[in-house]
Amino acid sequence: EPEVTQTPSHQVTQMGQEVILRCVPISNHLYFYWYRQILGQKVEFLVSFYNNEISEKSEIFDDQFSVERPDGSNFTLKIRSTKLEDSAMYFCASQTGVSSGANVLTFGAGSRLTVL
Amino acid sequence: GNSVTQMEGPVTLSEEAFLTINCTYTATGYPSLFWYVQYPGEGLQLLLKATKADDKGSNKGFEATYRKETTSFHLEKGSVQVSDSAVYFCALKYGGADGLTFGKGTHLIIQP
Repeated sequence: EPEVTQTPSHQVTQMGQEVILRCVPISNHLYFYWYRQILGQKVEFLVSFYNNEISEKSEIFDDQFSVERPDGSNFTLKIRSTKLEDSAMYFCASQTGVSSGANVLTFGAGSRLTVL
Repeated sequence: GNSVTQMEGPVTLSEEAFLTINCTYTATGYPSLFWYVQYPGEGLQLLLKATKADDKGSNKGFEATYRKETTSFHLEKGSVQVSDSAVYFCALKYGGADGLTFGKGTHLIIQP
């Protein structure tokens, strides 16, 4: 069964450092998402991406965050200058654009970010 | 705005007990409704979904019915197993690029 792949599974970084989280969505999917889950809290929407541009973003997704689809397969989330409160599990998800599978997001296993 | 409210956890049950996890939503129009499950140390997996009123989603013995009149999508299972221990998230979504709106999650603990 096709799956969404995320790397790294765990990253530890110092406050103020840049971090890039990588995702390989399912190959024929058209919509891409990033979510985060702070330990013990709800899963929060960060951003959605379609047709090579951001479709929607939440208040969390400020100027410190950016997304890119550099090569047609990877989908990356960059945090420019990490803060302690960025420590969380980050989930990538993708969705097909066709009606038979539309509206169902497939999630990756997540990347745990720890900011010290 | 849209929101999803789930019953607070943790919910602790004995094996073979009947499970209900309540979920209600606030939304304009008619979103699709979902239950996702997160097993310990793993990511989010789709458990079941319903796309319109009165639809029943079902999977692995779990069921939920989209109730427009009560804006609810309660998750039920007739006989739970220890392996069902996980965090369950209720969520809603509109079409296209819209993201999922999740509830806070309900931690389910099944004791042998």
